[in-house]
Order: sequence, then structure tokens, then C-alpha cells
Amino acid sequence: DVKVTQSSRYLVKRTGEKVFLECVQDMDHENMFWYRQDPGLGLRLIYFSYDVKMKEKGDIPEGYSVSREKKERFSLILESASTNQTSMYLCASSPAGPNTDTQYFGPGTRLTVL
Amino acid sequence: AQKITQTQPGMFVQEKEAVTLDCTYDTSDPSYGLFWYKQPSSGEMIFLIYQGSYDQQNATEGRYSLNFQKARKSANLVISASQLGDSAMYFCAMTLYGNNRLAFGKGNQVVVIP
Repeated sequence: DVKVTQSSRYLVKRTGEKVFLECVQDMDHENMFWYRQDPGLGLRLIYFSYDVKMKEKGDIPEGYSVSREKKERFSLILESASTNQTSMYLCASSPAGPNTDTQYFGPGTRLTVL
Repeated sequence: AQKITQTQPGMFVQEKEAVTLDCTYDTSDPSYGLFWYKQPSSGEMIFLIYQGSYDQQNATEGRYSLNFQKARKSANLVISASQLGDSAMYFCAMTLYGNNRLAFGKGNQVVVIP
């Protein structure tokens, strides 16, 4: 079974702090993704990576950066956390392929910024 | 850009009954994939079923089936014989072939009652 893990289920940080959210997958997937989920807005893509050291902006990249130094690990960085970044963050991975891009998700991190 | 619409309000379903969740999509691209995910209160997104735009048959996975009507651009999820564990949010999603990005609808809340 595909396993995607995230470093924390719950996280509380203060405004202005630098925040790191870590995601690890164990299925040698090429693609990895970071989403945020807010009530009434569904899931929105922040960034994704299709290879080590490669990244592309999603729909809402402002205020975020990412790092992928190893294939299995994809980090989301909030350079200076703000209260409007309080949200549920979901990481996902998928194999490379032309047709079936099924994404497998981690358990999510509920981040609260005070 | 592709768009996914899920407009049903929250639903209460009697245990052992079938439930249909509506999903319509909008794209001018002929090559795409459609997905349904389940998100229980624990937060993890669980992949349920996939339908490719060129698939001739409707997809089925156990108690889940996808009613794919290409001309109407709809991809409704049918859950047969509902169980209490089916209580969750259900998300419809879509990707264009080779794109790697998933576009999500806003979800349908289902509560199964005994």
C-alpha cells in the first residue's frame, strides 16, 4: 500500500514564525503535491513537484515555498506565518504517467497561526 | 481551466440504502480522468474510484460505481448498501491527461443514519 506521512497532525504557531511542514512517501513516486483545504473552498493546490529539485506553482503559491531535495520528501515552508494561513494542509503523491494520475494523500496537518 | 461542480447540500442516508452524489465538470479537452475521494472526519483523503474519458464502461470498485455520462459531462458516484462508515465528505476531482494537476469540487457531506 502507498504510504504518505506528514510530520504533524496538529500544529500551533505564532504570526511571523517560519513554519516547516514535512511530507514523506514510500512508493518512489515522481510527483508530490501540497494543498490547503478551507471550508467551502475545497482543496486548492499550492505547489507541486514532478522531480527532485523541480517545482511548479499551483493556484495559490503566495506566502509559501517548497523544497524537494530527495525523491521521497517534499517540504512546504511558510516563510513568515500569518493568521490567514490557518488551514488544513494536505500532501499527496502520484506516479508519473500519461493517463491515470491518481494521487494518494497523507493524513493532513491542521495548522493554527495565532 | 477545468471546473468541477458539486452542488448538493448535506445528505442524510438510511443505512443499507443507496446514495448518488452528483458531479458535473467542464472542459474542452477530450482526454481527462475523473476521480472520487472520501474524506472522513479524521481528515485523510481516500481514493475511491477512477474513470478515464475514453473508458467505454462505467467504473466500479466494490460498493462504489461511477455513472459516467460523457455528453452531459457528469460523473456521479453511486454508493450501494450504505454503511455507517460511509459518513464523510466526498470530493469529485478531475485531471487532464499529462497535466498532473487535480481540480477538486467543493465536496458533498453524507451522513449515514442507522
